[in-house]
Amino acid sequence: GAVVSQHPSRVICKSGTSVKIECRSLDFQATTMFWYRQFPKQSLMLMATSNEGSKATYEQGVEKDKFLINHASLTLSTLTVTSAHPEDSSFYICSAMVAGRTEAFFGQGTRLTVV
Amino acid sequence: AQSVTQPDIHITVSEGASLELRCNYSYGATPYLFWYVQSPGQGLQLLLKYFSGDTLVQGIKGFEAEFKRSQSSFNLRKPSVHWSDAAEYFCARITGGGNKLTFGTGTQLKVEL
Repeated sequence: GAVVSQHPSRVICKSGTSVKIECRSLDFQATTMFWYRQFPKQSLMLMATSNEGSKATYEQGVEKDKFLINHASLTLSTLTVTSAHPEDSSFYICSAMVAGRTEAFFGQGTRLTVV
Repeated sequence: AQSVTQPDIHITVSEGASLELRCNYSYGATPYLFWYVQSPGQGLQLLLKYFSGDTLVQGIKGFEAEFKRSQSSFNLRKPSVHWSDAAEYFCARITGGGNKLTFGTGTQLKVEL
């Protein structure tokens, strides 16, 4: 099956710093990637949809200047949490889809802790 | 808005017992429906999906789900649960354009030995 690799799996950063999370499709080209946020014991909330070579589409209430998404190639999308604060601490998960297929493949997730 | 509801937040079953996790979807054309499983601190793994055709769908790990339009349901079942099935289960559907997934709130499955 298709593999999506997300890195890092865990990261701790200080308030005010920025953190970059990478999402790679290892054995397929992902025309669309999605970024989700998951609070403890809650469901996944879609943050944004990113298509290769174009600007990401953010869901309502998600600050685009705080959560920078780049999808520079068909195998890599990055999420940068800028000027992180403790309330940004969460589990972030990416998923990737192939054009023409209605199935998402998920990364392992990144546990971000801002101290 | 098109949504997905999982009425049960927690379910506990004994190992070897049968399992049914409920999922209901709101109004819409025939939805694209999915069941995912998430182990603690991990991403999501697809168990099965329904797009059209046979309403009884077989998935991995011995799971199956049945699409019932009359009840707007897509319940997940397994005849005999194993301790390793303990995890969080999410029902999801495609909503709107762009293949966005909308997830239910999840059901935490605990398996008693």
